[in-house]
Amino acid sequence: DTAVSQTPKYLVTQMGNDKSIKCEQNLGHDTMYWYKQDSKKFLKIMFSYNNKELIINETVPNRFSPKSPDKAHLNLHINSLELGDSAVYFCASSQEGLNTGELFFGEGSRLTVL
Amino acid sequence: QKEVEQNSGPLSVPEGAIASLNCTYSDRGSQSFFWYRQYSGKSPELIMSIYSNGDKEDGRFTAQLNKASQYVSLLIRDSQPSDSATYLCAARMPGSNYKLTFGKGTLLTVNP
Repeated sequence: DTAVSQTPKYLVTQMGNDKSIKCEQNLGHDTMYWYKQDSKKFLKIMFSYNNKELIINETVPNRFSPKSPDKAHLNLHINSLELGDSAVYFCASSQEGLNTGELFFGEGSRLTVL
Repeated sequence: QKEVEQNSGPLSVPEGAIASLNCTYSDRGSQSFFWYRQYSGKSPELIMSIYSNGDKEDGRFTAQLNKASQYVSLLIRDSQPSDSATYLCAARMPGSNYKLTFGKGTLLTVNP
């Protein structure tokens, strides 16, 4: 059973299109995240939800819109895709408490914008 | 800008040697530190966490934290080719709503 699963694993699309990535976790965690990893492997947080509430919203273009229908799901919709959006997008989850912080990552969704 | 800095490498060591990976962080209030390993084309996985000054050992891995110097390191003893991966240092900074800030990673290659 996959703990954090993302779909699709690969997206290839044209500039200007809209695409969505879905994420589900079956770990019972309260917090979910979207991270973006560029070609140089830099992993940067985009959004975080805790129990369906948006708690982290980094400086991300408003073409990116996350949505959490429940605490086990976090989706990412991207409008008007640009070349610079090409990256691997990782969903992750965690269960917070004192001295925790382990993130469980999904397998990633590789987005290529042509 | 609160940052986590790592040497990007690549770091190349022979099989059986000790690999030493280093990381510094800018926010003195950071309290939790993590090392993730990421194989090419895969997702990051946690290998060590450390919260207190000093050393923490787990098998061939030792994490070291020096809060006064704002420095975290990871030592891998008896390095194996299977340790070849990118190692990501991460810090949790105070008041960050659980956000982990990652360094840019160090690519380690262990040569047989």
